[in-house]
Order: sequence, then C-alpha cells, then structure tokens
Amino acid sequence: EAQVTQNPRYLITVTGKKLTVTCSQNMNHEYMSWYRQDPGLGLRQIYYSMNVEVTDKGDVPEGYKVSRKEKRNFPLILESPSPNQTSLYFCASKDRGSYEQYFGPGTRLTVT
Amino acid sequence: AQSVAQPEDQVNVAEGNPLTVKCTYSVSGNPYLFWYVQYPNRGLQFLLKYITGDNLVKGSYGFEAEFNKSQTSFHLKKPSALVSDSALYFCAVRDGFQKLVFGTGTRLLVSP
Repeated sequence: EAQVTQNPRYLITVTGKKLTVTCSQNMNHEYMSWYRQDPGLGLRQIYYSMNVEVTDKGDVPEGYKVSRKEKRNFPLILESPSPNQTSLYFCASKDRGSYEQYFGPGTRLTVT
Repeated sequence: AQSVAQPEDQVNVAEGNPLTVKCTYSVSGNPYLFWYVQYPNRGLQFLLKYITGDNLVKGSYGFEAEFNKSQTSFHLKKPSALVSDSALYFCAVRDGFQKLVFGTGTRLLVSP
C-alpha cells in the first residue's frame, strides 16, 4: 500500500530535550516536506526536500532541522524543543511530475 | 505571494442538503488550486485540483469545485451531504514549483 508513515504519532516531552520525528514514504517520491498545523493558522511549511541531500527552508524553519540521506526518509529534528513548538506535525511527499501531495497521519507533539 | 482564504471557520448543514465550503485566492499568474480533507486523527487526503480547463472540477467522494476567475473563488460543493462528510476541509494553492500554501481550514458538520 502506498503510504507515508510517521513516528511517533504522539509525543510529550520537556523543554530542551532533543527529539526526532521520523517520516518514511514507499512511493519513491523525490519531493518531501514537513508542515505544522495550528488552530486558526492552517498548515505552514517548515522544511522541504527536492531530492536526496537537497533541503531548503519553508515558512517557519526556526528551531527545526531536517536531513535527507535516503530518498524514502525525511526526519524532522528538534534540537532544543520549546513550548511554542507544541503542534500537530505532518510529513508529505510528492512525485516530481504530480500535483498531488500524500500526507502522513500526523504527529501530535506537546512540549512542557 | 500566493494565498488562499477560507472565510468560514465552520459550516453546518443537514444530511441530504447541498453543501458549499468557500475559498478565495490571491495569486500572480495562473492559479493551481486544491482541496484537501482531514478526518479526525488522520492526515490530509487529496480531494480535487484545478490546473486548467473546465471550471467545474470533479473529485473524490462526490465532491466538486467551481473555479471562478472573475470572483477569484474556488468553492467546494456537494449536491447531497452525508454525515460521514463531517471533517476539516482545506483549500490550498501552489506557490512556486512544489510548495502548497493552505488556508486556515473550515470545519464541516453534517447533522443527521
């Protein structure tokens, strides 16, 4: 089944404790992206990757890092999480020639 | 910059009645417009897109959207609502080659 998977689905952590949210897709898509969803703000792009070893900032990159060492994986790293990073996070992927993005199920992160 | 606006936070409709979820856009150049739906505890799912061609676009689950260039609108419609259509709906526009810019979302509640 074609899908984007994220882990963990739920995470509660404390300020400053480094964490990684994994994202993996099995569709051989070149393009991957991370979004955060906040009430009243919709989804905002954090980082995106056009291909392996090619990443760039989205609209709200502060406090986040990403890497793209393999085509299928695109982890999101929070080196020192803060409470304002409490949010619902979505990973998405897309084939280069397509308009449709496929989204993962989301990761709900709470930073206390 | 490209943007979309969803003027209604929530739309209430009775089952069997037609539904409309509104979206207006602001773009430079030709708009590439999308509708996504988010069911509880799920990621976003693609519903339909407008790239070019007919102003009435048909999508998944019986939804359609009408592109209106003079009113810069791309409203989502369905002739007969189902309780199972209750979800969060996002309008989006393509910004650049790969990025999607989302609206703030509209919650649709269909009552039995």
